Formats: sequence, structure tokens, C-alpha cells
Amino acid sequence: QVHLQGSGPRLVTPSETLSLTCAVSGYSISSGFYWGWIRQPPGKGLEWIGVGSFYDNGRTYQNPSLKSRVTISLDRSKNQYSLHLNSVTAADTAVYYCTRLNWHHARGNYYFDYWGQGALVTVSS
Amino acid sequence: EIVLTQSPDTLSLSPGERATLSCRASQSVSSSYLAWYQQKPGQAPRLLIYAASSGAAGIADRFSGSGSGTDFTLTISRLEPEDFAVYYCQLYDDSSWTFGQGTKVEIK
Repeated sequence: QVHLQGSGPRLVTPSETLSLTCAVSGYSISSGFYWGWIRQPPGKGLEWIGVGSFYDNGRTYQNPSLKSRVTISLDRSKNQYSLHLNSVTAADTAVYYCTRLNWHHARGNYYFDYWGQGALVTVSS
Repeated sequence: EIVLTQSPDTLSLSPGERATLSCRASQSVSSSYLAWYQQKPGQAPRLLIYAASSGAAGIADRFSGSGSGTDFTLTISRLEPEDFAVYYCQLYDDSSWTFGQGTKVEIK
């Protein structure tokens, strides 16, 4: 069974960088699929942040509205991946979920099938 | 950018009743691109339906999806107490993913 466990600081100062790591167990991230992040501001809906994959030559894809601030990196040796979101403001306060994206054009797959438990990150001074 | 609009925002029903949730895209999309998720308070979303009508592993068969083009529907045939939650539709579009604003199914 695939399990995703996110970790990182829960309080970030405005203008600084939000950094989260997702440790994956039950599957090697270098074997396939896409690995990424979705967030949910308190009381609001879901927003896709971005994904990356070794399968796709390490290419990453980001939400155009966040692209300039988002970096996603994958570490095969530790079987984990990370999110860095820079220049944060209070609007970046949200629960951040790490997810596995099942994305395969030939098979018609375009959905998130595994999710971590989520971590509330607050941006405040 | 394709926009997803879910309706209604809130659906008040009793256990045992049928729930019909709508997700409308601002332009026609492939059915393969549409998925549905359930989210309970304090929990991560859970995949219910992918490719508009295919049930995810372990999902009860009272959940079904249908639709094509711009209009998609999630149906819960008979509501169980554990089905009262928020439901989101999700769309793939040009290497990006977007979600509808959600429909809350609450106990009447």
C-alpha cells in the first residue's frame, strides 16, 4: 500500500520560503507516476500546485498562477520529494497535501489516487 | 482556461435518499479528464470516480459517475451516514489540473 507522509515547518514568515517534504513508502518514486502537491486554504476548495516525475525525465509541471514561485524536486535515494514556495504571503496559508498523480495519456489516466494526511502551514509574522 | 462549476453548493438530504451532484465545464472536455473526490472533515480527499464513470478501487457501488462534453454527474444511489461530506470534481487540461468549488452533502 502506498503511503505518503508530509513534513516541514508549520509556521512561515511572510516573504520567506515555505518548504515541505513528502516521504513515500510502499512504492519507489523512481519507478513511475507523478508526485506532487495540492493545497486547501482553511474552509475553501482545492488548488493544484504542481507535480514532477523521474518517468518524465525529471520534468515538473506547475500551476500557472504559482509557477514563478514553485519548485518541486525529487530524491530517489531517500524516496521522497519536496515543495519550495517562495515569497509567501498570508494567502499561502493552507493545508498542503502531498499526492500521487496517475497521469498516463495512452491509458486515459489523469487523477490523484493517493494523498498524504495534509499539513496546515500558516504564514504569519 | 477551463472553469468547473459545481451545483448545488449544498445538498440537504436524508439517509437513504438519492443524491445527484453536477459538475459543468466551461467548454467541452474529454470524459477521460474528469474525476470525482470525497472529502470528510479533517481528512484528505479520496478518489471516487475517474474517467467520468469508472469507480476507483474499493469504492462502494452506490457511487456512480456519468456525463460527457460539458456536463458531468456524480450520483449516490442511497445515502449512507458516512456519505455526508464535500464532493469535488477535477479536470485535466493542458498539463494542468483544476477542481470545482465543491458540493456539500449535508443531513437534512
